[in-house]
Amino acid sequence: TQLLEQSPQFLSIQEGENLTVYCNSSSVFSSLQWYRQEPGEGPVLLVTVVTGGEVKKLKRLTFQFGDARKDSSLHITAAQPGDTGLYLCAGEIDNQGGKLIFGQGTELSVKP
Amino acid sequence: KAGVTQTPRYLIKTRGQQVTLSCSPISGHRSVSWYQQTPGQGLQFLFEYFSETQRNKGNFPGRFSGRQFSNSRSEMNVSTLELGDSALYLCASSRDVGNYGYTFGSGTRLTVV
Repeated sequence: TQLLEQSPQFLSIQEGENLTVYCNSSSVFSSLQWYRQEPGEGPVLLVTVVTGGEVKKLKRLTFQFGDARKDSSLHITAAQPGDTGLYLCAGEIDNQGGKLIFGQGTELSVKP
Repeated sequence: KAGVTQTPRYLIKTRGQQVTLSCSPISGHRSVSWYQQTPGQGLQFLFEYFSETQRNKGNFPGRFSGRQFSNSRSEMNVSTLELGDSALYLCASSRDVGNYGYTFGSGTRLTVV
């Protein structure tokens, strides 16, 4: 059974602070995707990383894929209240296309 | 372009009934996946269809089934509903597998009473 362990589960911080969310697995992924989900809505894709060691930046968000393609991190710099939401990592395995394995999610709350 | 459309948005059913949920993918997307989201289990993969063929299936009982039509629209069916089937059901579409990322619909909130 492939598992993707995401931590922390909950994070409550003040506006302006930095934070990092981690996703770890014993499985190798062909891609690792990060999504953000608002209450009552579906997840929205933020980024896809596919190469071991890859780093992608999206404004204040930095995504990293581990060298062995088993782990990933999301770092947010100077968090804002608008960053509040559920962040999900999801891995795709080579011979199981179309099937995403999701982490449990990180519920982020950024207080003004 | 239009996003992934799921209907209905909300549904209340009684135990033992069956339900059919619909998903219209983004135009040109041929892969449609279904997921169940619950507070306890998070997002769990149900199945994936591509060009009317089921290519992958998750670990759900046979009461959960799906199909895809020639226009890529997909339906999932749950028979003999149980209280534990209450969840947000999400579908996602993609051009194909292979690192393209997926676009999710807003989901169907199913409540079984």
